[in-house]
Amino acid sequence: DQQVKQNSPSLSVQEGRISILNCDYTNSMFDYFLWYKKYPAEGPTFLISISSIKDKNEDGRFTVFLNKSAKHLSLHIVPSQPGDSAVYFCAARGIQGAQKLVFGQGTRLTINP
Amino acid sequence: EAGVAQSPRYKIIEKRQSVAFWCNPISGHATLYWYQQILGQGPKLLIQFQNNGVVDDSQLPKDRFSAERLKGVDSTLKIQPAKLEDSAVYLCASRVGNQETQYFGPGTRLLVL
Repeated sequence: DQQVKQNSPSLSVQEGRISILNCDYTNSMFDYFLWYKKYPAEGPTFLISISSIKDKNEDGRFTVFLNKSAKHLSLHIVPSQPGDSAVYFCAARGIQGAQKLVFGQGTRLTINP
Repeated sequence: EAGVAQSPRYKIIEKRQSVAFWCNPISGHATLYWYQQILGQGPKLLIQFQNNGVVDDSQLPKDRFSAERLKGVDSTLKIQPAKLEDSAVYLCASRVGNQETQYFGPGTRLLVL
């Protein structure tokens, strides 16, 4: 039962352009969403998050959008830089989950020079 | 501030052998998590500790996996006996107070032959 899905295993974007990573979820009880970035041989690092009471959160080049009715969130990176090449995971937390996070499968982003 | 430490970084064992992983969370972080990340998938929670008590171990295969967090600081995760399907990266994460963000260690990559 995959409650959080990232349907694109990989994405390739030209340097300087916008990268858009998508994530869908099925559990309407999720109330907080996070994006993590992972480089090879390292653990995931926190990137940006959004509460279900908001529909947008911005931090520098990174913006997360949440569409609760569609149970969909997206991460926008603009402009994309070579250092953004990594695997991106979205994660969701349920209200009664005692801070338990459910992760998607990840999307490998490659930024081409 | 030192991050989450894990050891060993890599381990190769044969099936039916036992193995143990160690995690030292960020100082002052009361909540500690162990995740299993199989290749091509997102991290899956195995067990969550609050200080030295277990909060959630619903996805821990208790017939072969065990974990402890004596004194509410360091934690060990053990597999005995290991199966081929246990080949994965085992991630430890910690969190402070009511903050949403979990901080991950670099992980231990386990290969069971």
